Amino acid sequence: SQTIHQWPATLVQPVGSPLSLECTVEGTSNPNLYWYRQAAGRGLQLLFYSVGIGQISSEVPQNLSASRPQDRQFILSSKKLLLSDSGFYLCAWSLGEQNIQYFGAGTRLSVL
Amino acid sequence: GESVGLHLPTLSVQEGDNSIINCAYSNSASDYFIWYKQESGKGPQFIIDIRSNMDKRQGQRVTVLLNKTVKHLSLQIAATQPGDSAVYFCAETGDYKLSFGAGTTVTVRA
Repeated sequence: SQTIHQWPATLVQPVGSPLSLECTVEGTSNPNLYWYRQAAGRGLQLLFYSVGIGQISSEVPQNLSASRPQDRQFILSSKKLLLSDSGFYLCAWSLGEQNIQYFGAGTRLSVL
Repeated sequence: GESVGLHLPTLSVQEGDNSIINCAYSNSASDYFIWYKQESGKGPQFIIDIRSNMDKRQGQRVTVLLNKTVKHLSLQIAATQPGDSAVYFCAETGDYKLSFGAGTTVTVRA
């Protein structure tokens, strides 16, 4: 069966510091991969998605970037964090025409 | 459409009663509609989906109804339990992406 791993679960970072969040999927090949951000009490905002290695689509202009160095690995990065980057970051994967996305446990990022 | 900036509506339900959660969607061309459940501090969890050529689909204690005429989707939860307390999101598929509706916070009263 497929599983998705996201880490760390929580992260506290100072303003101006770099960020690297990692997501890996097991048990499937060539999945679509997604990064979302969710502010407290709000809906899901799609940040990036990838349909293959090295293919990244950005949904909103921001201080973040994404990379897909391997088929089942998706990384969210920032060179310098802003206060507004705080939030709950979720990685997801999907396959096939239904595009049912399956989410990781999330990373709660606090930028102070 | 996306619900990024919206405050989530709420639904308070007595334990044992049925819950009905509603959602309006925007894209008539979507092939699939999906319901997710998100508990506090966790990632969204897939509940059930329905294809656009269907009107109704049942799962374990849940039923999804699709009314394409008015672009409306609903999730019915039978005999609501305390473990059903969560935020529920609907989503419509399209072009590798999902468009999430405004989530609904469901609180189950004992």
